[in-house]
Amino acid sequence: SAVISQKPSRDICQRGTSLTIQCQVDSQVTMMFWYRQQPGQSLTLIATANQGSEATYESGFVIDKFPISRPNLTFSTLTVSNMSPEDSSIYLCSAPSPKEQFFGPGTRLTVL
Amino acid sequence: SQQGEEDPQALSIQEGENATMNCSYKTSINNLQWYRQNSGRGLVHLILIRSNEREKHSGRLRVTLDTSKKSSSLLITASRAADTASYFCATDGHNQGGKLIFGQGTELSVKP
Repeated sequence: SAVISQKPSRDICQRGTSLTIQCQVDSQVTMMFWYRQQPGQSLTLIATANQGSEATYESGFVIDKFPISRPNLTFSTLTVSNMSPEDSSIYLCSAPSPKEQFFGPGTRLTVL
Repeated sequence: SQQGEEDPQALSIQEGENATMNCSYKTSINNLQWYRQNSGRGLVHLILIRSNEREKHSGRLRVTLDTSKKSSSLLITASRAADTASYFCATDGHNQGGKLIFGQGTELSVKP
């Protein structure tokens, strides 16, 4: 099994600023994913964080708004850029295994 | 694009009753997973059922999968107030690199 931690656990930010969320896995994993959960909604996949290459974004998400880094097999960051109140969500990272997909505890972001 | 419809969207039952939640999806899958989330907190993995399996049990949970109908159901027997949470299905599709597509979720309320 994998244990995933995220930092920060929550933050309150002003519009127009950027926040970088860190995701740390306690073992090497090939794939890492970033999800967004808007208030009262389900999870939506933002992108796949690829080690050594650019992230692969899902429809509706772009690199300028959500730049992602994946410097090694245990770590990734997601930046939410030029934030607006609509970016208020929980952001979660995950890593799959053959038996389940492990999720971090999430970062609760509020943009004022 | 997101796939996965769940019904009902909300379900309210009395303690001791059974709760059934349904999930439909659109494409071929490797497996389907069910998760629980309490009040916007982290996701708890409940059960994974592979595409070649039809039924799986774990404690008070029973999951069925009908790939011909592209649907799954989660049954919670003898429900408890502590089962109150949101429940999500998520599919791991063929050639999708392990990323999960989540259903819209069912909000279950178990009244004591």
